[in-house]
Amino acid sequence: DAGVIQSPRHEVTEMGQEVTLRCKPISGHDYLFWYRQTMMRGLELLIYFNNNVPIDDSGMPEDRFSAKMPNASFSTLKIQPSEPRDSAVYFCASSGETASLPRGYTFGSGTRLTVV
Amino acid sequence: QQQVKQSPQSLIVQKGGISIINCAYENTAFDYFPWYQQFPGKGPALLIAIRPDVSEKKEGRFTISFNKSAKQFSLHIMDSQPGDSATYFCAARGSGGFKTIFGAGTRLFVKA
Repeated sequence: DAGVIQSPRHEVTEMGQEVTLRCKPISGHDYLFWYRQTMMRGLELLIYFNNNVPIDDSGMPEDRFSAKMPNASFSTLKIQPSEPRDSAVYFCASSGETASLPRGYTFGSGTRLTVV
Repeated sequence: QQQVKQSPQSLIVQKGGISIINCAYENTAFDYFPWYQQFPGKGPALLIAIRPDVSEKKEGRFTISFNKSAKQFSLHIMDSQPGDSATYFCAARGSGGFKTIFGAGTRLFVKA
């Protein structure tokens, strides 16, 4: 398996533009997570899905952020409009764990977003 | 808000020495405590993990010690090597769901 695949690896955009980050989880993993990493706030959970259904989006910072998972092999995180404070590394992770068998997460390589 | 507190923020160890990173949690509803290792430009990778019914787990040079009553757990890296230089995150998974909360991270540098 190629692991969790994220695209693009780097994104530079102007303030006010729409940004879409993409993720392909590991086949067979039921859980998909979006995290944001910054020096100030560390790794923050934004939202997670189970079987393509959003379970907890309490970490999404505001309405400018939205995430979808139209099928088991694809998810997007969209920011519209983007702001300089959204600059961060965004990670997607997937997991095939269960309540009785935790296995941890497999993270992608991340998308480094810079909003100028 | 559930929290996992990690210390130290940074750590410098001589090659061959022991690296120790500590974490403490506040919520008893966690059921799984993983450690992740992150190299620059990469995503975190699962290193080792423990469940709260076990006091210690060892995998090669890496050992987790878990103290349930004190709500503390730590990572010990024996015979630390320059290749271990990375950022380490402790984490805790909530038993009511699958949210994992991460500590702030420890930047480890092993001097050759």
